[in-house]
Amino acid sequence: QQQVKQSPQSLIVQKGGISIINCAYENTAFDYFPWYQQFPGKGPALLIAIRPDVSEKKEGRFTISFNKSAKQFSLHIMDSQPGDSATYFCAGGRAVELTFGKGTKLSVIP
Amino acid sequence: DTGVSQNPRHKITKRGQNVTFRCDPISEHNRLYWYRQTLGQGPEFLTYFQNEAQLEKSRLLSDRFSAERPKGSFSTLEIQRTEQGDSAMYLCASSRRGLAGGTSTDTQYFGPGTRLTVL
Repeated sequence: QQQVKQSPQSLIVQKGGISIINCAYENTAFDYFPWYQQFPGKGPALLIAIRPDVSEKKEGRFTISFNKSAKQFSLHIMDSQPGDSATYFCAGGRAVELTFGKGTKLSVIP
Repeated sequence: DTGVSQNPRHKITKRGQNVTFRCDPISEHNRLYWYRQTLGQGPEFLTYFQNEAQLEKSRLLSDRFSAERPKGSFSTLEIQRTEQGDSAMYLCASSRRGLAGGTSTDTQYFGPGTRLTVL
C-alpha cells in the first residue's frame, strides 16, 4: 500500500521558471509533511515542512501548499536554478515514522 | 553543530557475510532512526530508538537485521548473512524530543548514508 503518491516522476524546468511537485496521501493520521532534497550519493536534506493546521508555508523560494480536505500538498520552487537540480521527496509523518513518496527528479536547464 | 555522521560510507561484501554500520546522531538528539533506501525509491522506515530503548522494531525487514544503541548515543545496524537483495543505501536520522513530549512527529535530520553492495 503506497500511502504517499508523488508526481511527476521527473520534471524539466528552465532556469527562472517555477517547479511544482505534487503529493497525495491516504493516512489521515499524518500530522507532519516535510519535503526533502537529495543529491546523488547524499542523504536527504530537510527543505521545508508544514503541519496540517496551516494551508501554506513559504521559506525563501520554496512554498508548501497544503489542502487537508483533498489530502494533497505540493512544493513550489520559484525562480528555479540549476543548483536546484536534485531529487525531491515528500513525506507524511505519524508519531515517529516518516512515509516517503517515490521522489521527483528535477532538472533545471540554463 | 555537526550533523549526523555514518560510517562506513560504502561497503562491498560477499553474499553470506555479516556487516555492521555505525551512526552518530546530532549531539543532544535523543531519538535515532534507521531507514533503507533502494534505487529509485524513497527511504523506508526500519526502526527507531528513544535514548537507548528500541521502541519500534517490527518494521525491520527480517530477523537477519538488528540494531543497537547501547548508551543512548551512537547506534549500530547489523545485517547477518547478507543477501543480494540487501543492497541499498542505509540511512540514519536523528531528532530531539523535548521534555514536553507530545505525539506530533519530530523533525528528522538525515546522515549521508552507507551504501551497501552485496556481491
